Amino acid sequence: QQPVQSPQAVILREGEDAVINCSSSKALYSVHWYRQKHGEAPVFLMILLKGGEQKGHEKISASFNEKKQQSSLYLTASQLSYSGTYFCGTDPSGSARQLTFGSGTQLTVLP
Amino acid sequence: NAGVTQTPKFQVLKTGQSMTLQCAQDMNHEYMSWYRQDPGMGLRLIHYSVGAGITDQGEVPNGYNVSRSTTEDFPLRLLSAAPSQTSVYFCASSPQGNSNQPQHFGDGTRLSIL
Repeated sequence: QQPVQSPQAVILREGEDAVINCSSSKALYSVHWYRQKHGEAPVFLMILLKGGEQKGHEKISASFNEKKQQSSLYLTASQLSYSGTYFCGTDPSGSARQLTFGSGTQLTVLP
Repeated sequence: NAGVTQTPKFQVLKTGQSMTLQCAQDMNHEYMSWYRQDPGMGLRLIHYSVGAGITDQGEVPNGYNVSRSTTEDFPLRLLSAAPSQTSVYFCASSPQGNSNQPQHFGDGTRLSIL
């Protein structure tokens, strides 16, 4: 089953923070986050593993609550380059060979 | 490095025609996959492969065939195109498809079926 992402869309001013949530009805082994700019391929951001630590990359970090089957992506002090659609991919099996992606969160950062 | 290369980038077909979308990677990855992406929706897995000679179905396999004769190539075949197959198709690869390995995506093929 497809994970549910919220919000569906968010508009920010440069420098503001945002949180994107991803919820699954299944127990998860890992959650994968990707960003896609319009007309381009999805680009990998990070992977959260069951029992693993919260991850971070520059001003983008993520957490994974295994008990609630939820992951959140935190974007701090947003930059114009953060604009795009963010997808979470969920993996209940531990093999990640059949990731199920959410429908995406469209993030727009304005100057 | 070229990474994952998809051809063609754009294609228009008539209903009932067949065609093959090409995907090649130069990273010696065992795992390769095909997704389709429709407006307002996420990526849906069509077929995947964990090595040469091994393929399996994903979430939406109907109307598509795949084969994997080499590690590098993973073509996707539409046997009789239908308007419902109008979509953007992405090929992706990762070393073994394990949970701690990111997938590398190609630039996509934009396919329209008239």
